[in-house]
Amino acid sequence: QKEVEQNSGPLSVPEGAIASLNCTYSDRGSQSFFWYRQYSGKSPELIMFIYSNGDKEDGRFTAQLNKASQYVSLLIRDSQPSDSATYLCAVTRSQGNLIFGKGTKLSVKP
Amino acid sequence: ETGVTQTPRHLVMGMTNKKSLKCEQHLGHNAMYWYKQSAKKPLELMFVYNFKEQTENNSVPSRFSPECPNSSHLFLHLHTLQPEDSALYLCASSQDPDRGRDNSPLHFGNGTRLTVT
Repeated sequence: QKEVEQNSGPLSVPEGAIASLNCTYSDRGSQSFFWYRQYSGKSPELIMFIYSNGDKEDGRFTAQLNKASQYVSLLIRDSQPSDSATYLCAVTRSQGNLIFGKGTKLSVKP
Repeated sequence: ETGVTQTPRHLVMGMTNKKSLKCEQHLGHNAMYWYKQSAKKPLELMFVYNFKEQTENNSVPSRFSPECPNSSHLFLHLHTLQPEDSALYLCASSQDPDRGRDNSPLHFGNGTRLTVT
């Protein structure tokens, strides 16, 4: 089983819609969860982190964590074409290493 | 400007060449990392340095040799690479080596796109 799994996409949503990005992880001891955004040809940049079960909101972004289901998601409300990028889920393993998923490519159509 | 600067941005080298990648962080962080990003594969952690001490080496072949002279600079020395080593090499830094803390996300440089011919 892959340590961090994401649907590679592409996920295509119309402008103004909610984009929902999902991630599952295998290490039950994982404590920290991050979402990075990577534009084509650029480096990843952190957009959200979450440590506790539940929702965490920051502007148009909401991260959701369910440790019992080993599931973390990112919702992007009012999606804009500028949100088109690859979104990387990253999880801190119980021994502290940060493991990345392959990423989900999001395309927001005007 | 990400606060983490990598040079060169692009590098083409033959299998017998020796070259070095350079990374410099201007964020006052304590930890620095090398990651490899290949097409259709997740980011792979290669090396971690915490206060200049190497704390992690993820079974990376010896043809990759890291060097961290101080907490602001990190090098990756390359020699006798293989074509499958062609990838984007990303340097990152963080404030606290315990990456579970909310004040220590990774800050990435723009990467070096390496092509081995």
